[in-house]
Amino acid sequence: DARVTQTPRHKVTEMGQEVTMRCQPILGHNTVFWYRQTMMQGLELLAYFRNRAPLDDSGMPKDRFSAEMPDATLATLKIQPSEPRDSAVYFCASGWTGEETQYFGPGTRLLVL
Amino acid sequence: RKEVEQDPGPFNVPEGATVAFNCTYSNSASQSFFWYRQDCRKEPKLLMSVYSSGNEDGRFTAQLNRASQYISLLIRDSKLSDSATYLCVVRYTGKLIFGQGTTLQVKP
Repeated sequence: DARVTQTPRHKVTEMGQEVTMRCQPILGHNTVFWYRQTMMQGLELLAYFRNRAPLDDSGMPKDRFSAEMPDATLATLKIQPSEPRDSAVYFCASGWTGEETQYFGPGTRLLVL
Repeated sequence: RKEVEQDPGPFNVPEGATVAFNCTYSNSASQSFFWYRQDCRKEPKLLMSVYSSGNEDGRFTAQLNRASQYISLLIRDSKLSDSATYLCVVRYTGKLIFGQGTTLQVKP
């Protein structure tokens, strides 16, 4: 049963520290999405990759967030420096261009103190 | 105004009840429509796609009205296991846009 994996599952850090979240998409999928979920805003799209190329990162605060796909099996989302307002659950999802379904990973719960 | 709007609820219903959720979307160029389910502290999972002709999957019926930009989900004979948050989702230019979700609590 293929799944999207994310690490770490939980992260507690102090304001100003760098946070790196990792995602392994389902093998063979060519689209990867990063979402952030908070009680106030719900699920928001941060970044979207197709065939490892960034297509849309308009939802991402550019000054502190960055997203990359070093290879087809790894996507990263980095926050530097982190702030308390970044506390949220960050989900990665993957899919295939010809299919509309996105498969979500279990998420990384981030708490910035 | 949010692109996808839902009544957050919660909807508290007894087992066996029929419950309906509604959702509106603002972008008339939206291409595809879905309902996702999210259990507490879990990731969202696709429940069903939504088509203009209406579609049914067991106790779940989804309907799309493109003219009114309105999507609905009907759950018949509610089970305790249906308790979750139901997310209305539209797809536009390859991206999914999520509503805030409607919380359903089915009680014995």
